[in-house]
Amino acid sequence: DADVTQTPRNRITKTGKRIMLECSQTKGHDRMYWYRQDPGLGLRLIYYSFDVKDINKGEISDGYSVSRQAQAKFSLSLESAIPNQTALYFCATSETGGTTEAFFGQGTRLTVV
Amino acid sequence: RKEVEQDPGPFNVPEGATVAFNCTYSNSASQSFFWYRQDCRKEPKLLMSVYSSGNEDGRFTAQLNRASQYISLLIRDSKLSDSATYLCDAGGTSYGKLTFGQGTILTVHP
Repeated sequence: DADVTQTPRNRITKTGKRIMLECSQTKGHDRMYWYRQDPGLGLRLIYYSFDVKDINKGEISDGYSVSRQAQAKFSLSLESAIPNQTALYFCATSETGGTTEAFFGQGTRLTVV
Repeated sequence: RKEVEQDPGPFNVPEGATVAFNCTYSNSASQSFFWYRQDCRKEPKLLMSVYSSGNEDGRFTAQLNRASQYISLLIRDSKLSDSATYLCDAGGTSYGKLTFGQGTILTVHP
């Protein structure tokens, strides 16, 4: 089993619908991140969390919200999905201290029609 | 200016060629540096860490230049299987977040 698991792996949803992407990890890491990736734009940070009570906005948080339900779980919600949120979404974890490598989930391909 | 910048390429090289990528960073307090490889539509995976003294792993060499604030990745004797996107993480600090460049696309052709 993967150390960082994202569900669903693929999702098609309609404009205006609320959708939640889930991420769980067995690495025991405190730090968790949500990124979106679009062709030519690399990984852009949406939200990050350094522990259950510490959640921070990234560079593109508008239209998104997150919930850190436990150390191992970090969910990303699109309150009212729009077509330009169609992208590949990645969850990642890293150890406390911030100077170690990141571990990524396998990604969620989201299409908003 | 972005915190971490990479030349997006694409770099198109023949098999056997040597190719190098750079990644510049703006945070002089950055303490950790990594190169990741990402295959099409897959998650990024660690390729190698970048140490102050440099790091070599087979055909791959990573170096850090703190004075000029950039890291580099050199690939020797390129293989078709090296075709991928290479991402750098050059923002690691004890209090900060992961900071990635936009990635460099490499295509190795026969």
